Amino acid sequence: GDSVTQMEGPVTLSEEAFLTINCTYTATGYPSLFWYVQYPGEGLQLLLKATKADDKGSNKGFEATYRKETTSFHLEKGSVQVSDSAVYFCALRGDDFNKFYFGSGTKLNVKP
Amino acid sequence: EAGVAQSPRYKIIEKRQSVAFWCNPISGHATLYWYQQILGQGPKLLIQFQNNGVVDDSQLPKDRFSAERLKGVDSTLKIQPAKLEDSAVYLCASSPEGRGAEAFFGQGTRLTVV
Repeated sequence: GDSVTQMEGPVTLSEEAFLTINCTYTATGYPSLFWYVQYPGEGLQLLLKATKADDKGSNKGFEATYRKETTSFHLEKGSVQVSDSAVYFCALRGDDFNKFYFGSGTKLNVKP
Repeated sequence: EAGVAQSPRYKIIEKRQSVAFWCNPISGHATLYWYQQILGQGPKLLIQFQNNGVVDDSQLPKDRFSAERLKGVDSTLKIQPAKLEDSAVYLCASSPEGRGAEAFFGQGTRLTVV
């Protein structure tokens, strides 16, 4: 069945460092891909998405490109801030009845 | 636009007691999801409704969990009897139809079973 695998955390970076969080997926058909973020004490909220191959989603300085050839959707940011400290979830929405599948989450800690 | 509403926000019960969670999705969203999120893990789908029909409940422990979606709108998730391992955050989400449509999440209900 469809699934998402993302790198384990926690990831600890200094402010202004470059961030990459890896995400790969397995899916039949043509899924849509998402990154959600969960700030401390808050619910999940959409960070960005991409719906077809080679699409790039972007928001708040974060980017991710839908790579069908490598079945990947890695999250990147050129310069992280302390306020980016949160848990990041990669997710896919399959063609099969619109099911959402989530990865296990990657906790990001950004130090001043 | 109002978001997904869930209640209660927190609940503490003893094992073997029963508990119910309520969710009001965003108006017009056909799909409603209930997820269980154990501390340190990603959300695990318990049940998915399309309007008021069940699309997937393969991971719902049906001996103790039940869920319904009345008139294709509000939904309740019930646990009876609760076990210690049911301690988790229960998330409700809704989504409109359409390719690439995102899921909108409520704040969740944090359940502690003691």
